[in-house]
Amino acid sequence: GDSVTQMEGPVTLSEEAFLTINCTYTATGYPSLFWYVQYPGEGLQLLLKATKADDKGSNKGFEATYRKETTSFHLEKGSVQVSDSAVYFCALFNTNAGKSTFGDGTTLTVKP
Amino acid sequence: ETGVTQTPRHLVMGMTNKKSLKCEQHLGHNAMYWYKQSAKKPLELMFVYNFKEQTENNSVPSRFSPECPNSSHLFLHLHTLQPEDSALYLCASSQDSGSANEQFFGPGTRLTVL
Repeated sequence: GDSVTQMEGPVTLSEEAFLTINCTYTATGYPSLFWYVQYPGEGLQLLLKATKADDKGSNKGFEATYRKETTSFHLEKGSVQVSDSAVYFCALFNTNAGKSTFGDGTTLTVKP
Repeated sequence: ETGVTQTPRHLVMGMTNKKSLKCEQHLGHNAMYWYKQSAKKPLELMFVYNFKEQTENNSVPSRFSPECPNSSHLFLHLHTLQPEDSALYLCASSQDSGSANEQFFGPGTRLTVL
């Protein structure tokens, strides 16, 4: 079956540091890829997505590029803020199977 | 109200109680989902409804019983739960379950089973 593997957390950074959260996947066909974010006390919300190879999703200074050759969708941000502290989930949607698969989530804490 | 709402936000129940969780979406979506989020465990998909029909049941114990009376409402009926069922229960919706559309999540119901 499909799977999504995320970098294990927790990740702790200082404000303005560079962020990378690694995500790799296995799936049949050509899935769509997503990053969701969950702030404390809230549900998940979509951060960005990419639907085909070499697409770059971006939002709020975060970006991720769909790399088919390495089956990866790493999340990056050039300068994190305290308000970015949250849990980040990588996910895929397998169009053939009509199913979503989520990674385990990576907790990010940004300190001032 | 807009988006996906869930009630109650917090619930404490004994193992012999019967309670229900409610989810409502105001987005005109046709698919609705229940997820279980436990500490230090991956997000678990429980049930999927598409156009009011249940399309997925991920081997969920029968003490959890979903109900989808229409495309806007989703319930999760709970009875004779166990302490290990304590978790955050998230509801989500999307345009439909068969395409790569974004899922919109509610804030969740924090359930504690004593």
